[in-house]
Amino acid sequence: GQQVMQIPQYQHVQEGEDFTTYCNSSTTLSNIQWYKQRPGGHPVFLIQLVKSGEVKKQKRLTFQFGEAKKNSSLHITATQTTDVGTYFCAGSNNAGNMLTFGGGTRLMVKP
Amino acid sequence: EAGVTQSPTHLIKTRGQQVTLRCSPISGHTSVYWYQQALGLGLQFLLWYDEGEERNRGNFPPRFSGRQFPNYSSELNVNALELEDSALYLCASRGGINTGELFFGEGSRLTVL
Repeated sequence: GQQVMQIPQYQHVQEGEDFTTYCNSSTTLSNIQWYKQRPGGHPVFLIQLVKSGEVKKQKRLTFQFGEAKKNSSLHITATQTTDVGTYFCAGSNNAGNMLTFGGGTRLMVKP
Repeated sequence: EAGVTQSPTHLIKTRGQQVTLRCSPISGHTSVYWYQQALGLGLQFLLWYDEGEERNRGNFPPRFSGRQFPNYSSELNVNALELEDSALYLCASRGGINTGELFFGEGSRLTVL
């Protein structure tokens, strides 16, 4: 079955440093979504990428979808304490009806 | 617009007991997903319902079951509870097959003693 791997599992950064999490799928994806879960909270949708090579930005967050549609990344520029949480990628198969979540990357930011 | 609501928010059970968790999706959403999140870990897919039917099931034993009602609300049942069932159970809804993002509820925190 489809597997989605995410690295790193944990990341500690100093406030102001950049952060990147990577997502890799065992199969070609129809689209990929990113979610953020704050400590004690529930996952909240950030963005969806659909096209091969697509890049989208949300303020300090940059999302990329690989050319082969099997990998994706989330990059945060100049982290802030409000960025703390776990970031999950979730890939859809070609039928588009199943979302498989990666294991998440827990980001901790030291002020 | 009300979001996804789950009940109860917290509950404590003992080994061998049974539990039922409930989820009301966003109005108009026909798909409901259930995930298990053990403390500090990722989201493990449990069940997916759409239009009242079970569409897919994760790699969990048969004592995890559920259903979706005509109003699209859903229940997750866990029989013969084990200690390792302690987790946050998250419900999410979606407008339909292949239609965008998942909207998650706050979850039901289950502790099995």
